[in-house]
Amino acid sequence: GQQVMQIPQYQHVQEGEDFTTYCNSSTTLSNIQWYKQRPGGHPVFLIQLVKSGEVKKQKRLTFQFGEAKKNSSLHITATQTTDVGTYFCAGNSGNTPLVFGKGTRLSVIA
Amino acid sequence: NAGVTQTPKFRILKIGQSMTLQCTQDMNHNYMYWYRQDPGMGLKLIYYSVGAGITDKGEVPNGYNVSRSTTEDFPLRLELAAPSQTSVYFCASNKGPSAYEQYFGPGTRLTVT
Repeated sequence: GQQVMQIPQYQHVQEGEDFTTYCNSSTTLSNIQWYKQRPGGHPVFLIQLVKSGEVKKQKRLTFQFGEAKKNSSLHITATQTTDVGTYFCAGNSGNTPLVFGKGTRLSVIA
Repeated sequence: NAGVTQTPKFRILKIGQSMTLQCTQDMNHNYMYWYRQDPGMGLKLIYYSVGAGITDKGEVPNGYNVSRSTTEDFPLRLELAAPSQTSVYFCASNKGPSAYEQYFGPGTRLTVT
């Protein structure tokens, strides 16, 4: 079945440093979504990418969808303590249910 | 709107016991999902429903059952609980197929001992 792999599993950064998490799929995706889960919380939707090569920005967060629609990345510029949490990518092909990656847990040291 | 609500928040079960995790959404979403989240393992889909009366298996359905008699409610039933079912369970809903964002409930933390 479809697999979505995410790296790294953990990332510890100093406040103000940049952070990137990468997502790779074993199959071509129809769309990819990104979610954030704060410690002890539930996943919250951040963004969806659907077009090949698409780039979207939300303040300090930049999301990219690869040209082949098999990979994606989330980059955070100048991390803050409020960025702490686990970031998940999730993708699907056609109308199949979303498949979630295992997530990248971000720690920010003040 | 309350969004997606789940009860209970926490539960401890003994091996072999049964229970139902409740999930309700007030957004009139057709699609609803049950996930389990184990530490460091992401979210795994247990069952999902595309509308009242229609359910389908996800990646890890064994040991669970669901029903969808109304648009609002999507309960998850655990029969004969096992330690391997110790996890955090999230219910989610959205408007339609996977191209729409999913709204998650606060989760139920279940321990089976």
